Amino acid sequence: QITLQESGPSLVQPTQTLTVTCTFTGFSLATTGVGVGWIRQPPGKAPECLAFIYWDGEKRISPSLNTRLTITKDTSRNQVVLTLTNMDPVDTGTYFCAYRGVVPPTFAHWGQGTLVTVSS
Amino acid sequence: EIVLTQSPVTLSLSPGESATLSCRASQGVASQLAWYQQKPGQAPRLLIYDASNRATDIPARFSGSGSRTDFTLSISSLEPEDFAVYYCQQRHNWPWTFGQGTKVDSK
Repeated sequence: QITLQESGPSLVQPTQTLTVTCTFTGFSLATTGVGVGWIRQPPGKAPECLAFIYWDGEKRISPSLNTRLTITKDTSRNQVVLTLTNMDPVDTGTYFCAYRGVVPPTFAHWGQGTLVTVSS
Repeated sequence: EIVLTQSPVTLSLSPGESATLSCRASQGVASQLAWYQQKPGQAPRLLIYDASNRATDIPARFSGSGSRTDFTLSISSLEPEDFAVYYCQQRHNWPWTFGQGTKVDSK
């Protein structure tokens, strides 16, 4: 059974750095072809893919955030970490991590999400 | 960036009726399109991947079709638990993008 759980602060001040951690069970990020992504959803809006990391360490970063966003993995600890610098109120939303396997090659398993509010 | 446009924005139907949701891509995505269902306070749930393949444990009343730029999600005989927001998502080009959603609500 695959599970993912996001953890991190619920409130961040403008200009601060957000760090959210995805801890997962039921698969290994050492398995060929798999990966974990971060998806953000502002309140009442559609989801947006922020970043994705493959089993081999290859990364994809949203072009609109590539100067602010970092994604890393710790395979031995079953964790993927997202860091977003210089937070702004427009970054408010629910941050989900999700697993993409080989079949199906899309986000078949999601964490419950963590709501992050950017406000002073 | 590939833009996905979903229509209609809202679909008002009664249980037992059929639903047809559309997703149009700004450029071809082959068959690399998925559909998700989302209920309030929950994560999206994968329904269909690669345009027409049902995900694990998804009922047969959900079906997907289409290729390149035009895709359809069909729900035959709506059940009460099917009233939700539905998103399409492409994985053809990074950044993978979602449509703006279609809300299926109860008439």
